[in-house]
Amino acid sequence: AQSVAQPEDQVNVAEGNPLTVKCTYSVSGNPYLFWYVQYPNRGLQFLLKYITGDNLVKGSYGFEAEFNKSQTSFHLKKPSALVSDSALYFCAVRDRAGANNLFFGTGTRLTVIP
Amino acid sequence: GAVVSQHPSRVICKSGTSVKIECRSLDFQATTMFWYRQFPKQSLMLMATSNEGSKATYEQGVEKDKFLINHASLTLSTLTVTSAHPEDSSFYICSAEGSRGQREQYFGPGTRLTVT
Repeated sequence: AQSVAQPEDQVNVAEGNPLTVKCTYSVSGNPYLFWYVQYPNRGLQFLLKYITGDNLVKGSYGFEAEFNKSQTSFHLKKPSALVSDSALYFCAVRDRAGANNLFFGTGTRLTVIP
Repeated sequence: GAVVSQHPSRVICKSGTSVKIECRSLDFQATTMFWYRQFPKQSLMLMATSNEGSKATYEQGVEKDKFLINHASLTLSTLTVTSAHPEDSSFYICSAEGSRGQREQYFGPGTRLTVT
């Protein structure tokens, strides 16, 4: 069975500092991994994905994530946070060999402090 | 590209009535669409997977007779909440996966349903 853990409900970071939003996953096979961002009363916006290839994935708005198979992690990072990055971030996983639906983590609220 | 729309964005209905929510892929054909429900400050919970031209696959615990899903074309799926009750009040979000084997899902902006 697939599952995703986002251990932090809330992450606060000062503007201009690097940010990390953590995600670990569990799948029976090889994973497809995704990060989405949600602004208030809005749907989810796709940020980036890991399918295959380089473990470091670059996505929208300067975000990147590193796939670490040994640690079953896919942490989201950005070198310099902006106030406009403040939002709710969801990590999601899909088993390559299984159904095509996504399993989401519980979300991490990122607040960037001016 | 890869835009998904939902209509309406907000709806208020009386208990016992039915509400239909539309999900459209605007610039691509979606062989598969998904319906999620999100409670305040919680993650998305998959309700059902809808494939064009076939019956939807419902997740465990989701009443298929209450949440009717129709995926009549490659660009439109509808969710009808029948005989709505206040506990059905929630944020409903659809997503679509393209027919070219795109692995990511593209999400609609969501529909806020309030049942009074």
